[in-house]
Amino acid sequence: AQSVAQPEDQVNVAEGNPLTVKCTYSVSGNPYLFWYVQYPNRGLQFLLKYITGDNLVKGSYGFEAEFNKSQTSFHLKKPSALVSDSALYFCAVSDDTGGFKTIFGAGTRLFVKA
Amino acid sequence: SQTIHQWPATLVQPVGSPLSLECTVEGTSNPNLYWYRQAAGRGLQLLFYSVGIGQISSEVPQNLSASRPQDRQFILSSKKLLLSDSGFYLCAWSVRSASLNQPQHFGDGTRLSIL
Repeated sequence: AQSVAQPEDQVNVAEGNPLTVKCTYSVSGNPYLFWYVQYPNRGLQFLLKYITGDNLVKGSYGFEAEFNKSQTSFHLKKPSALVSDSALYFCAVSDDTGGFKTIFGAGTRLFVKA
Repeated sequence: SQTIHQWPATLVQPVGSPLSLECTVEGTSNPNLYWYRQAAGRGLQLLFYSVGIGQISSEVPQNLSASRPQDRQFILSSKKLLLSDSGFYLCAWSVRSASLNQPQHFGDGTRLSIL
């Protein structure tokens, strides 16, 4: 069965500092991994995905994520945080064993302080 | 470009009343469509998904139902709302694919309050 964990309920960083939002997953087959961001009273916006290939994936708004197969992790990173990055971030996973279900993590709230 | 529309943005309904939330997608054909509920600004619960007209799969048994009368239209309904139906309802679409390697694209949601 698929599962995804975001171990941190909230991450606090100062503007200009690097940020990391953690995600670990469990799937039966090969994983498809996604990061989404949600601003208040809005839907989720797709940031980036890992399907295959390079372990470092670059996405929107300067975000990137590192796929680590041995640690079954897919952490979201940004070299320099902005106050406007403050939002709710979701990691999601599906796999190649069939079916149409993508599992979303519980979300991590990122707070960037000026 | 593709767009997804959900309405209404907010809705306040009494317990026991019916519900109809509508979602339409523009700029793409044969999408996969999804309804999610998000409680308290946190995790998403998949309610229904559809891979084609009239094809609906339910993930969680409850008093909600979904229909897909047209290729790019997805409707969430209830005959009789419960207090526990309160939440933020999100519609999403993805490119039809043999695998789940396509991202989902979300509407801006409907905030439903049951009184």
